[in-house]
Amino acid sequence: GAVVSQHPSWVICKSGTSVKIECRSLDFQATTMFWYRQFPKQSLMLMATSNEGSKATYEQGVEKDKFLINHASLTLSTLTVTSAHPEDSSFYICSARKTYEQYFGPGTRLTVT
Amino acid sequence: AQSVTQPDIHITVSEGASLELRCNYSYGATPYLFWYVQSPGQGLQLLLKYFSGDTLVQGIKGFEAEFKRSQSSFNLRKPSVHWSDAAEYFCAVVVITGGGNKLTFGTGTQLKVEL
Repeated sequence: GAVVSQHPSWVICKSGTSVKIECRSLDFQATTMFWYRQFPKQSLMLMATSNEGSKATYEQGVEKDKFLINHASLTLSTLTVTSAHPEDSSFYICSARKTYEQYFGPGTRLTVT
Repeated sequence: AQSVTQPDIHITVSEGASLELRCNYSYGATPYLFWYVQSPGQGLQLLLKYFSGDTLVQGIKGFEAEFKRSQSSFNLRKPSVHWSDAAEYFCAVVVITGGGNKLTFGTGTQLKVEL
């Protein structure tokens, strides 16, 4: 199989603090991982593409200084939401690519109060 | 640029009835096509995929999809829907480029199953 995990599954933080979300490919190595954001009852919006050992590629309109992505190993990518504000509250989903397929994590619900 | 259209935002069917969810794509060449399902508060699970070959593909949970090049469609079907199939369904396309490939999602179809 191809299993992707995310941690934490949900997090509540205060405005102005930073939050780190981990994405791990458990049984395969992923050179490329992706981070998506999903608003309620909407589709997934690609935020950035993360390549192991290099800088992430951000989609247009995504603030790279606010959403820091690190892909330090072939099984781990992290998304850090810096100086979080209530408008950053959302469902964040990562995926890891294995050949031409992407396998998705269960998502992380972030609530900023 | 490639795009994926799911014309139906919501669909309601009775349990045991057949189901068809529509998906149209826009791309010059043959894309790689996927259907994913998302239960509330969960990530996405791959139902099936089409890369090449037989245009009728079988997936998990009794789903199938048919690729029709002439109609640029990849509709998802199930002959008999179960209440547990209620979820959000996303059609997606991957376009292979020299700079890599990205998954583009449709807007999703919310399936409600009436008992």
